[in-house]
Amino acid sequence: NAGVTQTPKFQVLKTGQSMTLQCAQDMNHNSMYWYRQDPGMGLRLIYYSASEGTTDKGEVPNGYNVSRLNKREFSLRLESAAPSQTSVYFCASRETGDPQHFGDGTRLSIL
Amino acid sequence: QQQVKQSPQSLIVQKGGISIINCAYENTAFDYFPWYQQFPGKGPALLIAIRPDVSEKKEGRFTISFNKSAKQFSLHIMDSQPGDSATYFCAGSSMIKAAGNKLTFGGGTRVLVKP
Repeated sequence: NAGVTQTPKFQVLKTGQSMTLQCAQDMNHNSMYWYRQDPGMGLRLIYYSASEGTTDKGEVPNGYNVSRLNKREFSLRLESAAPSQTSVYFCASRETGDPQHFGDGTRLSIL
Repeated sequence: QQQVKQSPQSLIVQKGGISIINCAYENTAFDYFPWYQQFPGKGPALLIAIRPDVSEKKEGRFTISFNKSAKQFSLHIMDSQPGDSATYFCAGSSMIKAAGNKLTFGGGTRVLVKP
């Protein structure tokens, strides 16, 4: 039982490049979330999807887009990467009454 | 603007000692307060959580104390062990479905337990 799987685990990009971070969960959860983690800032919510077919902005959505491809998968896209987006990105999922379950993160560096 | 403020940013404690981490929140709509534990290279994992209808919750060596009037809550790690060395995050959330069950995290506390 893998839980929440994020790919890739590491990525280096150049400013202006685009990429998509993938997230998949095998727990049949309805809600999925994308966070970024920066030193001293904790985890900040980028976007979330309360259920399949819906997405909403979180605290720091600028520069990102998301797609809830199906119930299992929730992707995060950087259209034109900027150095300020260097961070560790975490995906999480949950079901009503349960806590959020996190993946192990994608470490992204933008040069 | 951080709605959940966590302190200290780091602490060192001797094996067998008590680790105390404090959090303060602003959003009075929060009705669920979890603590997450994160080891290097891993995602956060739920450690313990409390609802505001109780003032204290204990699970093994971990205790949450909650003060609703002061809008503060804290994590106490009793008999701290080297394996407890990790980063701890407090968080707040509204459990109302329309709010999306979003978590607002504190800035984190890096705990080092010396043997």
